[in-house]
Amino acid sequence: EAGVVQSPRYKIIEKKQPVAFWCNPISGHNTLYWYLQNLGQGPELLIRYENEEAVDDSQLPKDRFSAERLKGVDSTLKIQPAELGDSAVYLCASSHIQGAAGANVLTFGAGSRLTVL
Amino acid sequence: AQSVTQPDIHITVSEGASLELRCNYSYGATPYLFWYVQSPGQGLQLLLKYFSGDTLVQGIKGFEAEFKRSQSSFNLRKPSVHWSDAAEYFCAVGPATGGGNKLTFGTGTQLKVEL
Repeated sequence: EAGVVQSPRYKIIEKKQPVAFWCNPISGHNTLYWYLQNLGQGPELLIRYENEEAVDDSQLPKDRFSAERLKGVDSTLKIQPAELGDSAVYLCASSHIQGAAGANVLTFGAGSRLTVL
Repeated sequence: AQSVTQPDIHITVSEGASLELRCNYSYGATPYLFWYVQSPGQGLQLLLKYFSGDTLVQGIKGFEAEFKRSQSSFNLRKPSVHWSDAAEYFCAVGPATGGGNKLTFGTGTQLKVEL
């Protein structure tokens, strides 16, 4: 089966510009996650979707970050305007419906590396 | 709050030598525990997981990990390291029930393999 697909893989922008990342999860996975990974750090959860509903967005900086998952399949994460400190890797992951076997096993995409100049 | 500590930021081993990467966790209930590996420019790949049962779990690529509740540890081991194992390794903890699959990751251990 196809894995979690993310695009673009790399993005370089100047500060104050907008940027968007796209994620297509594994078919049948109803839960989708966006993680932020700073250099030399482990991933940190930004937002989690159950189908099209954002059920945990407590770590999402809502002044500049937004996300959507229309139709409960693919998702877009947007930053507007970008700041220097946003330079990082943005990882998307997906998993099976909660409660089923393997519910807590996340499959990650390759990530989108953002550089803000 | 749940947390994960990986005390070794960098580890260097010779090819063919044994490997142990340390992971300690803090969690108020029965945890799910995971080890992921990340090669440069890639996403995270699941090596193995512990949900319940046998405390010694086998994973892919010849890795294993042992859950020790009394020590709050979940150390990753491999008897003989290959040069292709050079990567960054992340330990993660998540809730066994509820909590919405929220994984907390450690800061990672960078493994270097000397030929």
